[in-house]
Amino acid sequence: DAMVIQNPRYQVTQFGKPVTLSCSQTLNHNVMYWYQQKSSQAPKLLFHYYDKDFNNEADTPDNFQSRRPNTSFCFLDIRSPGLGDAAMYLCATSRSRASYEQYFGPGTRLTVT
Amino acid sequence: AQSVTQPDIHITVSEGASLELRCNYSYGATPYLFWYVQSPGQGLQLLLKYFSGDTLVQGIKGFEAEFKRSQSSFNLRKPSVHWSDAAEYFCAVGGNTGGFKTIFGAGTRLFVKA
Repeated sequence: DAMVIQNPRYQVTQFGKPVTLSCSQTLNHNVMYWYQQKSSQAPKLLFHYYDKDFNNEADTPDNFQSRRPNTSFCFLDIRSPGLGDAAMYLCATSRSRASYEQYFGPGTRLTVT
Repeated sequence: AQSVTQPDIHITVSEGASLELRCNYSYGATPYLFWYVQSPGQGLQLLLKYFSGDTLVQGIKGFEAEFKRSQSSFNLRKPSVHWSDAAEYFCAVGGNTGGFKTIFGAGTRLFVKA
């Protein structure tokens, strides 16, 4: 089945220690999104890639970076995680920016100690 | 400004009872509307969507939603709730006003009692 895969499902990192979260998709979608979701809140868009075009949200901290080396993979890098960055990180894809229907991965739960 | 409001933070219904989750939106153009469901520790799964046409849309798992333009609403319904429906439900609106963004509501947590 075509799907969105996130690895790892659970990640524990230390305060200030860089961490990378991974997302891959077999849907061949052009757009990939990264969301941060804290407990009992709506997902908050961090950034998205439309093909290779990177689009950062205005309020996304510089501590968060992303890479998309090819259509299938997208990475979220947190350069110096703080305690406030502990959250669920969701990757999603859509066929195009205008399709809006998004397909989500299962998420990575990040804990910062 | 575009926004989505889900007035109910949480709702409890008995198994077998009917369900309606409310969603109101504010959008400057014709919106694309969605309902997603999220089980604990999981990603979001699309239940149904409305782009145009028939204002009553059917989705997966026996859910339906009705678009009412005059009320700016897109309420989700299910005639008979199952215990497995307990989850968080998010209403969302998308469109190219404001740059191809999808805006999510804050969610409604559904509890199902036996």
